Amino acid sequence: DAGVTQSPTHLIKTRGQQVTLRCSPKSGHDTVSWYQQALGQGPQFIFQYYEEEERQRGNFPDRFSGHQFPNYSSELNVNALLLGDSALYLCASSPGLKGRRNEQFFGPGTRLTVL
Amino acid sequence: GNSVTQMEGPVTLSEEAFLTINCTYTATGYPSLFWYVQYPGEGLQLLLKATKADDKGSNKGFEATYRKETTSFHLEKGSVQVSDSAVYFCALRDQTGANNLFFGTGTRLTVIP
Repeated sequence: DAGVTQSPTHLIKTRGQQVTLRCSPKSGHDTVSWYQQALGQGPQFIFQYYEEEERQRGNFPDRFSGHQFPNYSSELNVNALLLGDSALYLCASSPGLKGRRNEQFFGPGTRLTVL
Repeated sequence: GNSVTQMEGPVTLSEEAFLTINCTYTATGYPSLFWYVQYPGEGLQLLLKATKADDKGSNKGFEATYRKETTSFHLEKGSVQVSDSAVYFCALRDQTGANNLFFGTGTRLTVIP
């Protein structure tokens, strides 16, 4: 059983560009959450998707947006990249019952570097 | 608001030494508490959890007790191994039912033979 997968593994962009990161949840999971982990810091919650809608959002600007597809996979989009957006972006999935209060399984992350 | 304060690292121990990583939290009500571990090049893995006061979570020789009176959830292991070298994160999920996690800054543990 494949766990949570993310692509790409690494990405280098320049300031002002746009980026799309992808996540496939663990089999049987329908809820996807995204976190940003800056170097030397703990992950910070960006947003969570369930039934193709954003259900919760952390303290991140509108430059961060997302999407969930009917197969439960998800994308994270970041527009107008800033140097401070350089981080490891983690995707986590959780199982049914709207994903509430269920364990989150994390993917290996996408390392984004903004130059 | 919700926050987690974690013992700063890095921590370096000899094999078979005793490990303690301190974690305290701020939250309203009764959050659920977690320890996650991140091995090099891998994603976060749930190590243990506790969902109510005085619960003890345990896994792979690690344990932590949910102390409501001191708002703490310290991680302990009696005898560490080289394979325990990783970054450890304390986290909480608040009682509102939202499934997002609040993490501490992480503590890097290195165990030397």
